[in-house]
Amino acid sequence: QKEVEQDPGPLSVPEGAIVSLNCTYSNSAFQYFMWYRQYSRKGPELLMYTYSSGNKEDGRFTAQVDKSSKYISLFIRDSQPSDSATYLCALSTGTASKLTFGTGTRLQVTL
Amino acid sequence: GAVVSQHPSWVICKSGTSVKIECRSLDFQATTMFWYRQFPKQSLMLMATSNEGSKATYEQGVEKDKFLINHASLTLSTLTVTSAHPEDSSFYICSARGRSRGTEAFFGQGTRLTVV
Repeated sequence: QKEVEQDPGPLSVPEGAIVSLNCTYSNSAFQYFMWYRQYSRKGPELLMYTYSSGNKEDGRFTAQVDKSSKYISLFIRDSQPSDSATYLCALSTGTASKLTFGTGTRLQVTL
Repeated sequence: GAVVSQHPSWVICKSGTSVKIECRSLDFQATTMFWYRQFPKQSLMLMATSNEGSKATYEQGVEKDKFLINHASLTLSTLTVTSAHPEDSSFYICSARGRSRGTEAFFGQGTRLTVV
């Protein structure tokens, strides 16, 4: 079993839709949770960063962490074609520890 | 967010030659640098971690004599692919983390290496 599971997609939604992206994990030691967006042939860009359980909102993006279920989510409201990219979740056990990435979900927002 | 600059963006080299990729943190001191490799439509695979003042720690299966990592200063790390072969063709990405930036890791733009 992989440490972090993420549906690779592709996920296709119409413009304006609410998008839900998810990851599950098996290691209860993960304390830090991040979401990255990666456009084709570019490096990942940090979108959201959360420590421990709870919700965090930033503009159209909301990150949720449920440590009891080992489940994290990223919601994108009012999705735009420019949101089309691959979204990667990344988890870490500590500030000095490596990031463990999900496989990434490819999102396509259509007009 | 913090800025990490990676150079070059792409490089084509002949089989058997060595290629150096640079990764610089422009506005913070990077106490830890990570080097990843990414194949098409796949996630990032961590190759090695380089901490300030220490030798790089390589992940299992990564040849340290082939992928030389130097964390020359708190703002610069280099990855040298020695005696490159076509199977080394990939997208290489660095990421940096600094004390002042908590646990967030910021990524460079990536380098597309093609070995012909």
